[in-house]
Amino acid sequence: DSGVTQTPKHLITATGQRVTLRCSPRSGDLSVYWYQQSLDQGLQFLIQYYNGEERAKGNILERFSAQQFPDLHSELNLSSLELGDSALYFCASSASGTGNIQYFGAGTRLSVL
Amino acid sequence: AQSVSQHNHHVILSEAASLELGCNYSYGGTVNLFWYVQYPGQHLQLLLKYFSGDPLVKGIKGFEAEFIKSKFSFNLRKPSVQWSDTAEYFCAVNGPYTGTASKLTFGTGTRLQVTL
Repeated sequence: DSGVTQTPKHLITATGQRVTLRCSPRSGDLSVYWYQQSLDQGLQFLIQYYNGEERAKGNILERFSAQQFPDLHSELNLSSLELGDSALYFCASSASGTGNIQYFGAGTRLSVL
Repeated sequence: AQSVSQHNHHVILSEAASLELGCNYSYGGTVNLFWYVQYPGQHLQLLLKYFSGDPLVKGIKGFEAEFIKSKFSFNLRKPSVQWSDTAEYFCAVNGPYTGTASKLTFGTGTRLQVTL
């Protein structure tokens, strides 16, 4: 168990819908990262938050947004869902930002039908 | 932008065979290097990491990796694989850094299948 908790484990929804994925980092970790894992794109970095503020952005679509709350948990919001958004979404956390080991959650498997 | 190449996409080995998985990265500055493993249906787990110092690093479950700066490589090795090593292996690079901004760039992964 990495100490990073993601909910829900599975999500099945329809095209055009909006979903929210939740991540609780390891106790004391200030950074939260979101990654998308799909068969065709592999593991792609989406976004990083550090202590409530956005710190780095990767290949995140405009339809996707994230935030980190004062208690350090994070949510990834995916809207206007398309079939191609079906993927495994991982959250990771680290103690700070630079150079630290990232610990991954079990992921949320999103299926868009 | 940083990129990571894993040249072996699918490797099939018999138990007790030796393993070497290749990993090359593009950025020539200061980087941290990682190997993660993903067992079927599970999350990514850290196998080993290199930050600095001895370029030969040892990880969990008998894995080791060698950092060769001149070749931009960080190959993963294990002298004798077990059936339980069947998994997907990802090489990842963390860097370059900007303050507290950080991200891991992953390779495409190598699927290892160990047969009895």
